[in-house]
Amino acid sequence: QVQLVQSGAEVKKPGSSVKVSCEASGHILSNGIINWVRQAPGQGLEWMGRTIPILGTLNYAQKFQGRVTINADETTNTVFMELKSLTSADTAVYYCTRETLADDWFDPWGPGTLVIVSS
Amino acid sequence: QSVLTQPPSVSGAPGQRVTISCTGSNSNIGAGYDVNWYQQFPGTAPRLLIYSDDKRPSGVPDRFSGSKSGTSASLAIAGLQAEDEADYYCQSFDNSLVTSKVFGSGTKVTVL
Repeated sequence: QVQLVQSGAEVKKPGSSVKVSCEASGHILSNGIINWVRQAPGQGLEWMGRTIPILGTLNYAQKFQGRVTINADETTNTVFMELKSLTSADTAVYYCTRETLADDWFDPWGPGTLVIVSS
Repeated sequence: QSVLTQPPSVSGAPGQRVTISCTGSNSNIGAGYDVNWYQQFPGTAPRLLIYSDDKRPSGVPDRFSGSKSGTSASLAIAGLQAEDEADYYCQSFDNSLVTSKVFGSGTKVTVL
């Protein structure tokens, strides 16, 4: 049973950065793809980007290009998502979720990490 | 502004059938990319409900079904139950953007 465990909630100042972690049980990074999706309060789901560790591939949504960095530490089965130059519009729950090289759906999902950006 | 359009809300009495539409374009659903559906309860992470247009993961009741035609997809819930009250999102891929997964705007299902 694949499980994703995320880091705890964060409160950040505008202009700062946040780094959220997602630890995967087992060795799912060996054939898995970890995506990051966020959800602002009362809003829908928004795809941010993904990493394919086995291929060394990174893809980012155009909206976040230049502001988001996703990387994977295969020794600890952990993927990190760093978002820079935070504004109040970045206040959201950030989810990591897995897809595989063969399947293009998201399953499972991590529990989410709340990031609040406030002065 | 979501790339895939869903109605903000649908409602139905227990036992009724409701459908949720997901309207895209020729760069996503119309291009033949799979559509997946997710169910989300307040304060919890989404969970996979339907994948590859019309397939149910194990554990998903068969009252949930998916379909796709042209540039649109639909999620149907037959025999609506109180526990189905949740938000539902469609998701696909769009080739007009640089490697982009896209979500629908989301639909709140209310059981009357």
